[in-house]
Amino acid sequence: DTEVTQTPKHLVMGMTNKKSLKCEQHMGHRAMYWYKQKAKKPPELMFVYSYEKLSINESVPSRFSPECPNSSLLNLHLHALQPEDSALYLCASSQEWRGPAYEQFFGPGTRLTVL
Amino acid sequence: AQSVTQLDSQVPVFEEAPVELRCNYSSSVSVYLFWYVQYPNQGLQLLLKYLSGSTLVKGINGFEAEFNKSQTSFHLRKPSVHISDTAEYFCAVSVNQAGTALIFGKGTTLSVSS
Repeated sequence: DTEVTQTPKHLVMGMTNKKSLKCEQHMGHRAMYWYKQKAKKPPELMFVYSYEKLSINESVPSRFSPECPNSSLLNLHLHALQPEDSALYLCASSQEWRGPAYEQFFGPGTRLTVL
Repeated sequence: AQSVTQLDSQVPVFEEAPVELRCNYSSSVSVYLFWYVQYPNQGLQLLLKYLSGSTLVKGINGFEAEFNKSQTSFHLRKPSVHISDTAEYFCAVSVNQAGTALIFGKGTTLSVSS
């Protein structure tokens, strides 16, 4: 199983809502990532978890709160978002965090629209 | 600092024609190079990667790329494209140091028409 799953596929939320994005992998990978991708742009790294601990936070606003409850799951909690946060949110995983050779497997993404 | 430049933002080609998508990188240390494809409304899929060894790398769907250290390039090629190859293609670099953070180029839109 080389699949990363993400739910929901689409999400529309107001600026006062609280919602969560979910990512799951069963490949035994110990590193998981959140990326943000705006239309016609490359993905931008937001967070990296390694062995369920936050390793990198790319100066992401606190209205985005990541959580790694176990080695297979990665959540992204959303609160008080702005319309400019509308984007495709991609989750990825790799065997390890340290070791550039490890391929990252990407999920299909969650298309987020903030009204 | 490392960077990736994809020289063409859009590449239109006819079906069964050859195609080359160009990628140049900038790094003062050893790098690992990747090409990803993104079909509309989907995530990214790895096409191929260069880690070490042979400079000609073969990937999925008939794509190949050649690592050229002297020209700091990693161009993607396919001898005959199909309509189904229409997608966004991203070149990415990962540095040979701590972490596997990928630095992506801005992407090239390949449009294949009949």
